[in-house]
Amino acid sequence: DAKTTQPNSMESNEEEPVHLPCNHSTISGTDYIHWYRQLPSQGPEYVIHGLTSNVNNRMASLAIAEDRKSSTLILHRATLRDAAVYYCTHYRNEKLTFGTGTRLTIIP
Amino acid sequence: DTGVSQNPRHKITKRGQNVTFRCDPISEHNRLYWYRQTLGQGPEFLTYFQNEAQLEKSRLLSDRFSAERPKGSFSTLEIQRTEQGDSAMYLCASSLSGTVSGEKLFFGSGTQLSVL
Repeated sequence: DAKTTQPNSMESNEEEPVHLPCNHSTISGTDYIHWYRQLPSQGPEYVIHGLTSNVNNRMASLAIAEDRKSSTLILHRATLRDAAVYYCTHYRNEKLTFGTGTRLTIIP
Repeated sequence: DTGVSQNPRHKITKRGQNVTFRCDPISEHNRLYWYRQTLGQGPEFLTYFQNEAQLEKSRLLSDRFSAERPKGSFSTLEIQRTEQGDSAMYLCASSLSGTVSGEKLFFGSGTQLSVL
């Protein structure tokens, strides 16, 4: 199964940018990198995904290393509502495999 | 609300009893997934359907677990002879297949199972 490694927790000040790292040690050439986040008492929510190029959407940006062994999710201006567990995953064999994620705390 | 709906939200049962959960996906989605999540862990894949066909089951899935998706619409997950180790959040997700990049999965809020 695909394996990703993320820090267990991170903190950031409100209204500051946040960079969430992920290592993809077992990624293969056709695996897309997906990021989801999970708020308390809710199911995971899609954030962004990409293959090789950096991607932007209304929620975040995704920076993918040239060798694809790492990626970084960027929240440009964190708000209190961004406090959640963030998961980086691989889409492989028609499914997502989740690691333990990074718990992001936003400091007012 | 046109999101993924799961019922019940909470279920408390005694060890040895059978339980059944229901998932109603987003109506136009042809894929439906079941995941299990324990405290402090990420969701763990259990099984998935494309329309009514169950295409994959996790090797970790005990034969006490069975899932169905009759007519390719809603799905049920049944656990027979529950054990305390089955206590977890059971998450359902749906998606629309057909993209190489991998579909966005839309998750429900889950069913929290507690086995006493």
